[in-house]
Amino acid sequence: DAGVTQSPTHLIKTRGQQVTLRCSPKSGHDTVSWYQQALGQGPQFIFQYYEEEERQRGNFPDRFSGHQFPNYSSELNVNALLLGDSALYLCASSLAGGPNYGYTFGSGTRLTVV
Amino acid sequence: AQSVTQPDIHITVSEGASLELRCNYSYGATPYLFWYVQSPGQGLQLLLKYFSGDTLVQGIKGFEAEFKRSQSSFNLRKPSVHWSDAAEYFCAVGMTTDSWGKLQFGAGTQVVVTP
Repeated sequence: DAGVTQSPTHLIKTRGQQVTLRCSPKSGHDTVSWYQQALGQGPQFIFQYYEEEERQRGNFPDRFSGHQFPNYSSELNVNALLLGDSALYLCASSLAGGPNYGYTFGSGTRLTVV
Repeated sequence: AQSVTQPDIHITVSEGASLELRCNYSYGATPYLFWYVQSPGQGLQLLLKYFSGDTLVQGIKGFEAEFKRSQSSFNLRKPSVHWSDAAEYFCAVGMTTDSWGKLQFGAGTQVVVTP
C-alpha cells in the first residue's frame, strides 16, 4: 500500500519564478494538507483541501495557492518566488473529520530559490 | 495565543542511556497531542498520539509519552536509546474543536546519540 507520494523530490528555482509541487495521498485518504518546513524549524500549516475545496488556511500570502483533483491528489503552487520560500514542503493526507483521524506525511519536496 | 514549545533545541545522549524530550503547549482546552520523528531528508513519522484516557501513551520504537494536564506538558521518553534514534523530534497539537485537522508543531529537538 503506497503512502503519500510527492514530486519532485528536489528542485531549484529562480527568484520571481513560479513553481508547482504535486502530492498523491495515501490510498483511502480524501484530505490533503500542505506544510512548509524552513531549515531548523517545525512545519508550518499552509492549507488543507477536501472535496476539491480549500477548507482551512494558515498564515501564508496569496502567492501560495492549491488545488485538489477528483482523485484526491493535490498541487501546491507558489508564484513570484522569494528567497524565503526555500524550504521543505510536506504533504500530508488524512481522512476528513479532524486530527484524531491521523496524518500520513510524504517525504517532501525540497525547494531552493536562488 | 496558542503555542507549542520544545525548550530543548539540541540534546546529546549516550547510547543505552535514557532520553526525555520536553513539550509544553498553550491552548484553551486539552488538545490532541502528537510526537513525530524526522530523519534527515525524510518526512515525518508518527511515534505516538494522545486523545483522551490513560495519560501514559505507548508508541512505536519503544517510545512513550506522558500527558500532564496541570503542567500542559506532553513529554516523550525512551528508557534506552539506540544509535538509530538520532533524528529530529517534533511535538504537535491539534485542536479538538477543529474538524479539519490542522496541526501546530513545535520547533523541534535534535537528538544526537554518541557511542
